[in-house]
Amino acid sequence: AQSVTQLDSQVPVFEEAPVELRCNYSSSVSVYLFWYVQYPNQGLQLLLKYLSGSTLVKGINGFEAEFNKSQTSFHLRKPSVHISDTAEYFCAVISVGAAGNKLTFGGGTRVLVKP
Amino acid sequence: IAGITQAPTSQILAAGRRMTLRCTQDMRHNAMYWYRQDLGLGLRLIHYSNTAGTTGKGEVPDGYSVSRANTDDFPLTLASAVPSQTSVYFCASRAASRTEAFFGQGTRLTVV
Repeated sequence: AQSVTQLDSQVPVFEEAPVELRCNYSSSVSVYLFWYVQYPNQGLQLLLKYLSGSTLVKGINGFEAEFNKSQTSFHLRKPSVHISDTAEYFCAVISVGAAGNKLTFGGGTRVLVKP
Repeated sequence: IAGITQAPTSQILAAGRRMTLRCTQDMRHNAMYWYRQDLGLGLRLIHYSNTAGTTGKGEVPDGYSVSRANTDDFPLTLASAVPSQTSVYFCASRAASRTEAFFGQGTRLTVV
């Protein structure tokens, strides 16, 4: 079975400050990892994904994430946030080869960017 | 514009009533999924379908049923709604050759 833990339910941050959202996963096999963003009253959009190769993955809107296999982590970072980054962020995992390629989500981290 | 359409956008439903949430995609994706989103719990998988004609149970399937008669449509039915099914429901789809899923805008359901 696979699982995802997002360690922070809420992260307040000032505009132009850096932000890091923490994600740890558990799986008995190799994984694909994703970060999705949900803006208020909208569906989920893919920010970035890690499938293989370089452990540093760059996504849209200036976000990046680093896969750390030994720590089973996939933390999301942005060096300077904007007000428009206020949203909920979800980390998700697929276990490679698992039937159905089902996405398992973490509980979400709500980011509030303050002016 | 290609994508996933969910209907209705929101609904208030009396407990005990039957309700079908609709999901249609025009991307010809093989796999489709239904999730419910609850505060602090993230998104939890209800049911999924890898191809037309097949369905499977997710993490929280009780009280829900699905069908996949064709590639485009994946309706979710609540046979007899209960207040604990109050949630935001998201439909998603994925192409067989890709890993990422695409999501609809969601249906906000309130069972009273």
